[in-house]
Amino acid sequence: DVKVTQSSRYLVKRTGEKVFLECVQDMDHENMFWYRQDPGLGLRLIYFSYDVKMKEKGDIPEGYSVSREKKERFSLILESASTNQTSMYLCASRQGVGYGYTFGSGTRLTVV
Amino acid sequence: EDQVTQSPEALRLQEGESSSLNCSYTVSGLRGLFWYRQDPGKGPEFLFTLYSAGEEKEKERLKATLTKKESFLHITAPKPEDSATYLCAVHSNAVGSKLTFGTGTRLQVTL
Repeated sequence: DVKVTQSSRYLVKRTGEKVFLECVQDMDHENMFWYRQDPGLGLRLIYFSYDVKMKEKGDIPEGYSVSREKKERFSLILESASTNQTSMYLCASRQGVGYGYTFGSGTRLTVV
Repeated sequence: EDQVTQSPEALRLQEGESSSLNCSYTVSGLRGLFWYRQDPGKGPEFLFTLYSAGEEKEKERLKATLTKKESFLHITAPKPEDSATYLCAVHSNAVGSKLTFGTGTRLQVTL
C-alpha cells in the first residue's frame, strides 16, 4: 500500500513563528500536493509539485512556500504563522496525471 | 473551470435506511471521477474511481454510479460505522489537470 506520512498530527505554534510541515511518500510518486481543509470551504490547494525541485502555486499560496529537494519529500513552510492559518493541512501524492490521490492523515495546526 | 457540487451537505439515516449521495459535476472532458471517505480528524481515504458513463463499482454496502453529469454513491442498509464525510472529485482531460473536490456530504448513521 502507498503510504503518505505527515510528520505531526497536531501542532500548536505562536504567531510569527516559522512552521515546517513535512510529508513523505514511499511509492516513488511523481506528483505531490498540499491542501488545507476548513469547515464549509472544503479542500483548497496551496501548492503542488510534479517533479523534484519543481513547484507550482495552487489556489491559495499566499503566506506559504514549499520545498521538494527529494522525490519522496514535500515540505510546506509557513514563513510567519498567523492565526488565519489555523487549519487542517493535508498532503497527498499520486503516481501521475490521471491517477487518484493518496492522502496523509493530516496535521491539525493551531496558531495562537 | 471544473466544478463539483455535492448534495445534501448533511444526511442523517437510521441503521438499515438506504439512501444516495449526489455529486454533480461540470468538467471539460472527464478523465475520472473519484469518491473518498473521510473520518473526523483524518485524511480522505480512497473508495472508487469511475471513468465513463454507465460504469458502476461496489464495495460492501457502497455502490458508485456515473452518468455524463453526475455520480451517485448509494448506501444500502448502512451501519453506524459508515458515518463519515464522503468527498467527490473530478479529474479533467486538460493538460496537467489536478483533482477538483466537492465540499462533501456529512453522513451520520444512528442506531
